[in-house]
Amino acid sequence: DIQMTQSPSSLSASVGDRVTITCRASQSIRTYLNWYQQKPGKAPKLLISGASSLQSGVPSRFSGSGSGTDFTLTISSLQPEDSAVYYCQQSHNIPRTFGQGTKVEIK
Amino acid sequence: QVQLQQSGPGLVKPSQTLSLTCGISGDSVSSDSAAWNWIRQSPSRGLEWLGRTYYRSKWFDNYAVSVQSRITINPDTSKNQFSLQLNYVTPEDTAVYYCARSYGAPAPFDYWGQGILVIVSS
Repeated sequence: DIQMTQSPSSLSASVGDRVTITCRASQSIRTYLNWYQQKPGKAPKLLISGASSLQSGVPSRFSGSGSGTDFTLTISSLQPEDSAVYYCQQSHNIPRTFGQGTKVEIK
Repeated sequence: QVQLQQSGPGLVKPSQTLSLTCGISGDSVSSDSAAWNWIRQSPSRGLEWLGRTYYRSKWFDNYAVSVQSRITINPDTSKNQFSLQLNYVTPEDTAVYYCARSYGAPAPFDYWGQGILVIVSS
């Protein structure tokens, strides 16, 4: 199975800060990397697919980059509604696997 | 707009079978571009993909090794839904269970059901 490792596991930042979350795959997954946002009591919501394609309706302050084994999710200017847990997920191989999540809190 | 509506019991006794259904609107379980997945989430295991069913001229399925001997995912074309059966459950199967669609490539999970908390307890 492909292991997905996120860092950090949590972070606290102020409104307007630039936030970066890293995801590393245990082997190359090309750009088969997706990012999700999950708020308490809700299903995960797809933000970015194919490492960098922003889903319709997702604010442009979210962006993704990377290929191979190393990927990044960036929030360019953190907003209060961005408080959530963020997950990466690979869709290169079966079984599909997720990172352990990064909890983003607002200071 | 695709919507997935989950149904099923929230409490299952140990050694019994967990059964959940995911109703689909806005797409077809027989779509030749989509796959229909079950995913669960627990504090100890995080988000765990369990398996999928999909149609490409015939029906296929894939399952996670961790549950392979106990799981069945079946499509129901007459009701446009798919189901999860997990046999011989233990308390370690306690989790929120989600159904989700994956579509095209790179096949992210683009639509999710609302989730059902299933507790395994006597």
